[in-house]
Amino acid sequence: DADVTQTPRNRITKTGKRIMLECSQTKGHDRMYWYRQDPGLGLRLIYYSFDVKDINKGEISDGYSVSRQAQAKFSLSLESAIPNQTALYFCATSEEGAGELFFGEGSRLTVL
Amino acid sequence: GENVEQHPSTLSVQEGDSAVIKCTYSDSASNYFPWYKQELGKGPQLIIDIRSNVGEKKDQRIAVTLNKTAKHFSLHITETQPEDSAVYFCAATRALYGNNRLAFGKGNQVVVIP
Repeated sequence: DADVTQTPRNRITKTGKRIMLECSQTKGHDRMYWYRQDPGLGLRLIYYSFDVKDINKGEISDGYSVSRQAQAKFSLSLESAIPNQTALYFCATSEEGAGELFFGEGSRLTVL
Repeated sequence: GENVEQHPSTLSVQEGDSAVIKCTYSDSASNYFPWYKQELGKGPQLIIDIRSNVGEKKDQRIAVTLNKTAKHFSLHITETQPEDSAVYFCAATRALYGNNRLAFGKGNQVVVIP
């Protein structure tokens, strides 16, 4: 089983719909992240959380919200999806400091 | 904030040849430089990283070199194999800031031709 699991892996939705992407991890890490990947743009940080009570905005948080339900679970929500949120989304975990990020396999979201 | 540039965007090499990907960074105080490999349909995976107290680090066929004066670091893959075909991302940050300030490059597509 994967250490970092994302659901759903693929989702097609319509403009204006609310979408939730879920992430769970078995690494036991306190730090969790949500990234967005667009072709030719690399990985950009949306939100990150250092523990259940600590949630922070990243580089591109507008239009997104998150919830840290437990140490192992970190969800990303799009309250009202728009087409330019079509992208590949990754959840990741890490131990403290600057070190290895453990990524999930991604959730591909298409907003029509 | 930190800005990381990767060159070239796409690199094709014959199997068995070497591949080199170069990244430049803007923040002279950055001191942690990881490289991630992303295979098709999968999430990125750390393959090697270097901290600024060393100039080179090797792990089997992979090596990373760091030039702090010129603010660039490079990934070297020797004896390339088809399984090396992937997108490679470099990144940089000040270790004190942690991963939440990690700036990624836009990625290089490496294609190994059998």
